[in-house]
Amino acid sequence: AQTVTQSQPEMSVQEAETVTLSCTYDTSESNYYLFWYKQPPSRQMILVIRQEAYKQQNATENRFSVNFQKAAKSFSLKISDSQLGDTAMYFCAFTHPGAGSYQLTFGKGTKLSVIP
Amino acid sequence: EAGVAQSPRYKIIEKRQSVAFWCNPISGHATLYWYQQILGQGPKLLIQFQNNGVVDDSQLPKDRFSAERLKGVDSTLKIQPAKLEDSAVYLCASSLGLAGPYNEQFFGPGTRLTVL
Repeated sequence: AQTVTQSQPEMSVQEAETVTLSCTYDTSESNYYLFWYKQPPSRQMILVIRQEAYKQQNATENRFSVNFQKAAKSFSLKISDSQLGDTAMYFCAFTHPGAGSYQLTFGKGTKLSVIP
Repeated sequence: EAGVAQSPRYKIIEKRQSVAFWCNPISGHATLYWYQQILGQGPKLLIQFQNNGVVDDSQLPKDRFSAERLKGVDSTLKIQPAKLEDSAVYLCASSLGLAGPYNEQFFGPGTRLTVL
């Protein structure tokens, strides 16, 4: 079974600074996909970024980028130039083709607070 | 484009009572998901529909939970009878095509259930 671990229950960052959220996962699969989701206090979860395991290049979406270390099974999210609107729960998630219809496995989340 | 709609937003019931949640996915989205998010944890998939057929219900406690998707559009999730451990936020999500890592899931605001 796949597991996703987020070891930082809470983090805070000053506005305009950079913060990195950690995620590790455990799997025996070679083909899989990793995601970061953001869940603001209003609770509507949105996709932030996606990484395919077969791609060596780290994914980037504007101020959000990942550091994907396949051998270490690590998938961290870096948020640059943090903004107040980045305050949210962040969930790391995993799926693979054999996971019965690409079922997502989520970590427990990291609560990020951006301080003005 | 209208998002995923859910109702009610909040529900408080006594244990052993019944409760039903409703979800209206984004128009045209073929795949619909119900997740359970217990406080302090990431979402856990309960059931996934492709149009009006069940694709994955392996984590649905079928002795008390049931779900249906009428005519491949709206969906209802029912709990009968409810237990204290069912207290959680129930999230509905939908995606345009077949489940997969490139078909982004769009989430609703959720229904917060409290069982007393």
